[in-house]
Amino acid sequence: EPEVTQTPSHQVTQMGQEVILRCVPISNHLYFYWYRQILGQKVEFLVSFYNNEISEKSEIFDDQFSVERPDGSNFTLKIRSTKLEDSAMYFCASCATGGRQPQHFGDGTRLSIL
Amino acid sequence: DAKTTQPPSMDCAEGRAANLPCNHSTISGNEYVYWYRQIHSQGPQYIIHGLKNNETNEMASLIITEDRKSSTLILPHATLRDTAVYYCIVRVGTGGFKTIFGAGTRLFVKA
Repeated sequence: EPEVTQTPSHQVTQMGQEVILRCVPISNHLYFYWYRQILGQKVEFLVSFYNNEISEKSEIFDDQFSVERPDGSNFTLKIRSTKLEDSAMYFCASCATGGRQPQHFGDGTRLSIL
Repeated sequence: DAKTTQPPSMDCAEGRAANLPCNHSTISGNEYVYWYRQIHSQGPQYIIHGLKNNETNEMASLIITEDRKSSTLILPHATLRDTAVYYCIVRVGTGGFKTIFGAGTRLFVKA
């Protein structure tokens, strides 16, 4: 069964450094998302992306965050200058056609900011 | 998106059916009910969804009451690997809307 893949599984970065998290969504999917989960807390929506542009973003997704679909397969989340509070699991998700179709999630990247 | 209410935790004996309830009394006519689960720190895993009819797939069954104000996810023969946090989510069935996760129900399957 096709799945969403994320790399790396664990990223350790110094505070203030830039980090790029990578995702390969399911190949025929059109909607893409990033979520995060701080340890012990709920899964939180960050951003949705469709037709090469952001369709919705949360308050968490400030100017330090950006997303890109640089080619036909990858979907990336960049954090420009990381803070300690960015430490979390980051999940990528994709959805075939929107509508009632479910979102399928990757297994996440654990981001640790030192 | 409508709000859902789930019990914080439940126990189930291995091999027995696990029935996880969800209340969504303010659900709108165009909102679907989705169930996901999260095993330890893995990504949320889609289980099943429905609008108003009962649904069944290889993982579970979803029973939605006639007034659509509540639903039950049924795992027919729970195994230890079904220990996870289960999320009941309602959202509109159009566009590419975000999924809003609550706290879910932590299901413990015991041997």
